Amino acid sequence: DAGVIQSPRHEVTEMGQEVTLRCKPISGHDYLFWYRQTMMRGLELLIYFNNNVPIDDSGMPEDRFSAKMPNASFSTLKIQPSEPRDSAVYFCASTAGGLISGANVLTFGAGSRLTVL
Amino acid sequence: GENVEQHPSTLSVQEGDSAVIKCTYSDSASNYFPWYKQELGKRPQLIIDIRSNVGEKKDQRIAVTLNKTAKHFSLHITETQPEDSAVYFCALLTGGFKTIFGAGTRLFVKA
Repeated sequence: DAGVIQSPRHEVTEMGQEVTLRCKPISGHDYLFWYRQTMMRGLELLIYFNNNVPIDDSGMPEDRFSAKMPNASFSTLKIQPSEPRDSAVYFCASTAGGLISGANVLTFGAGSRLTVL
Repeated sequence: GENVEQHPSTLSVQEGDSAVIKCTYSDSASNYFPWYKQELGKRPQLIIDIRSNVGEKKDQRIAVTLNKTAKHFSLHITETQPEDSAVYFCALLTGGFKTIFGAGTRLFVKA
């Protein structure tokens, strides 16, 4: 498996534009997480899915953020409209879940570095 | 809500010395405590984890201890090397299956 795949790796956009970040989890992993990393706020959990269903979106900062998981191999995080304070590295991570050893270990993608001017 | 506090935020040690990072938490339902290492410009990666039925776990130069009564756990790195320089995050798995991270400790190992 190629691991968790994220795209784009870097995105520079202007304030007000729509941004879509994409993630392909590891095959067979039932849980998918979106995190945002900034110097000020560290690693924040935005939302997570179990079997493609959003379970907890309490970390989504505001209505400008939305996330979907239409199938087991694809998820998107959308920001519309984007603002300079959204500039951060956005990580997608997946895990198998369950009680067996290692099932709760998060495997992170390489991240998408977003800069909103 | 779930919360984990991590100290110190920055730690500088001489090569060969030990480094200790401590975390405290509030959710008594938490039973899984991983530690992740993030090198500059890279993704976080698991280095060691511990479950609540174990008080200590060791893997070569790194060890983690857990005191569930006091709700704190610690990472110990012995014989530090320059390649140990990175940001280290403690984390915990909540009852809702969320992994919550501490604020991170930036470790500098001086050669």
